[in-house]
Amino acid sequence: KAGVTQTPRYLIKTRGQQVTLSCSPISGHRSVSWYQQTPGQGLQFLFEYFSETQRNKGNFPGRFSGRQFSNSRSEMNVSTLELGDSALYLCASRKDTDGNEQFFGPGTRLTVL
Amino acid sequence: GNSVTQMEGPVTLSEEAFLTINCTYTATGYPSLFWYVQYPGEGLQLLLKATKADDKGSNKGFEATYRKETTSFHLEKGSVQVSDSAVYFCALSESGGGADGLTFGKGTHLIIQP
Repeated sequence: KAGVTQTPRYLIKTRGQQVTLSCSPISGHRSVSWYQQTPGQGLQFLFEYFSETQRNKGNFPGRFSGRQFSNSRSEMNVSTLELGDSALYLCASRKDTDGNEQFFGPGTRLTVL
Repeated sequence: GNSVTQMEGPVTLSEEAFLTINCTYTATGYPSLFWYVQYPGEGLQLLLKATKADDKGSNKGFEATYRKETTSFHLEKGSVQVSDSAVYFCALSESGGGADGLTFGKGTHLIIQP
């Protein structure tokens, strides 16, 4: 069974640009969550999508948005990039919501210059 | 709000040494507790979990017991190997699997020397 895949694995952007990251969950998983990992702040929850609906959102500005498609694949978008957005963005999927293990992808390393 | 505190390290041990990584938490309800491991260049893998007080999670020789009275979930292993070198994250979720998102500690970098 294929794991969670994220594309691209590495990305370099400049300040002010926008970026879209993609996550394909494990087959049969309907929930996708996104996390930002930085050396200073550690791992922080961005948002979770379930059946194309955002279920919960962390404490991030509106520049961070996401969506989920009918096949459960998810994208997150960051607009007007800032230097501080440089991070590893991790996606996690699970079969359903409460009580199920989250499986993490390898992440997308975003560098903002 | 919820929070998780763990030693950040790096923690350096010799092979076959005993490992303890402390983790304490603050939560408003009755959270589920997790330990995740991250190897270089990879995402996080669930190592073990406990969903209620006094539960013991175990996997690959690692153990952790959910202690409600001390709000702790310390990770232990009796004899570490070089292959255990990684970053370990303690995490909690109020809603069992994390519908509200997992709250992570800062991570403990573990280095095992041969």
